[in-house]
Amino acid sequence: AQKVTQAQTEISVVEKEDVTLDCVYETRDTTYYLFWYKQPPSGELVFLIRRNSFDEQNEISGRYSWNFQKSTSSFNFTITASQVVDSAVYFCALSAPYNFNKFYFGSGTKLNVKP
Amino acid sequence: AAGVIQSPRHLIKEKRETATLKCYPIPRHDTVYWYQQGPGQDPQFLISFYEKMQSDKGSIPDRFSAQQFSDYHSELNMSSLELGDSALYFCASSRRGGSKNIQYFGAGTRLSVL
Repeated sequence: AQKVTQAQTEISVVEKEDVTLDCVYETRDTTYYLFWYKQPPSGELVFLIRRNSFDEQNEISGRYSWNFQKSTSSFNFTITASQVVDSAVYFCALSAPYNFNKFYFGSGTKLNVKP
Repeated sequence: AAGVIQSPRHLIKEKRETATLKCYPIPRHDTVYWYQQGPGQDPQFLISFYEKMQSDKGSIPDRFSAQQFSDYHSELNMSSLELGDSALYFCASSRRGGSKNIQYFGAGTRLSVL
């Protein structure tokens, strides 16, 4: 069975601090995909990144970076020098390649960045 | 770039009424997914369609039905609405066999059942 756990329900930081959002997943599949989505207060879900299970290279995009470790089944997301505009709920999601038809979402982490 | 379009953005209904939500996928995307997100919850998969055929089904109540039309847009029909149906309904689209198989989400339809 697929499952995604985001243990941090809510995190508050002050602007310019670095923050890491944790994501731990469970799957029996050897091939799978992991995603991060951002949901700002306006409600839409914004795609941030996709990672497949064969690619454990860390990725950096501006202030965002992702650390994928199969050994610990984790796909953590770090925001460097956080800004108020980063305030949102962040969802980690998992899908299996044989069934692209559903995402399994974690419960989300609400990030509050204070000025 | 064109995104997933959902209409209406907001909908207010009373108990036992019917609602229809519409979704227009990104051009050339052949797969549409519907998710329901309750207050403070993560999105839950309802149903999906590939090339106008239902491809997967999740926790969709029997009171709900959906279809994908020849132009690939999709409609989610909800009957005998209950208070618990109040939620944000997302539609997402993707292209099967595309290099990334990423689901792109619309802005959602916020349904309030009074």
